[in-house]
Amino acid sequence: AQSVTQLGSHVSVSEGALVLLRCNYSSSVPPYLFWYVQYPNQGLQLLLKYTTGATLVKGINGFEAEFKKSETSFHLTKPSAHMSDAAEYFCAVSDVTDKLIFGTGTRLQVFP
Amino acid sequence: EAEVAQSPRYKITEKSQAVAFWCDPISGHATLYWYRQILGQGPELLVQFQDESVVDDSQLPKDRFSAERLKGVDSTLKIQPAELGDSAMYLCASSPIDRSNTGELFFGEGSRLTVL
Repeated sequence: AQSVTQLGSHVSVSEGALVLLRCNYSSSVPPYLFWYVQYPNQGLQLLLKYTTGATLVKGINGFEAEFKKSETSFHLTKPSAHMSDAAEYFCAVSDVTDKLIFGTGTRLQVFP
Repeated sequence: EAEVAQSPRYKITEKSQAVAFWCDPISGHATLYWYRQILGQGPELLVQFQDESVVDDSQLPKDRFSAERLKGVDSTLKIQPAELGDSAMYLCASSPIDRSNTGELFFGEGSRLTVL
């Protein structure tokens, strides 16, 4: 069965610093992988996705993620954090029935 | 830009009462999902519809929860009776039938339920 593990429920960075949010997955089939962002009391918004092809995926708001099959990882990065990046981030994998399986989330705090 | 509509945004109810949530997916999206997100956790699928048919309701607590999508368009999720542990955000999402190229779900803003 597919599953996702997000390491670190809370990550704090200074404004302008590198953002790194970790995600490891387990999948019995070639995975579709996603990162979603959730602002307080709102729904989830897609940041980026990996389906096939190029393993470095660029998304909105300057975020990118790299699919590493050998490490079963799909970590999310952003070179320079902005205050507006403070939110909850969810990694997800699509299973064989196209159902999305979410991780438990990482709350990103950005300090001035 | 087309969006998934949900109502109400916020609902406060007492335990043992009935509560209902409504969702209108993006026009033309055949697949509709209801997710429950408990505070501090990731969303968990409750039920998935393909048109008006239930595809997966294995995680739906059927003794108190029900969901329908009668005409294959909008959907209602009902809880009766509500329990304290049902306090959560209820998220609706939709996707087109052909997801082979994206796998992406489109989410509404959610309905936050507080059971007192």
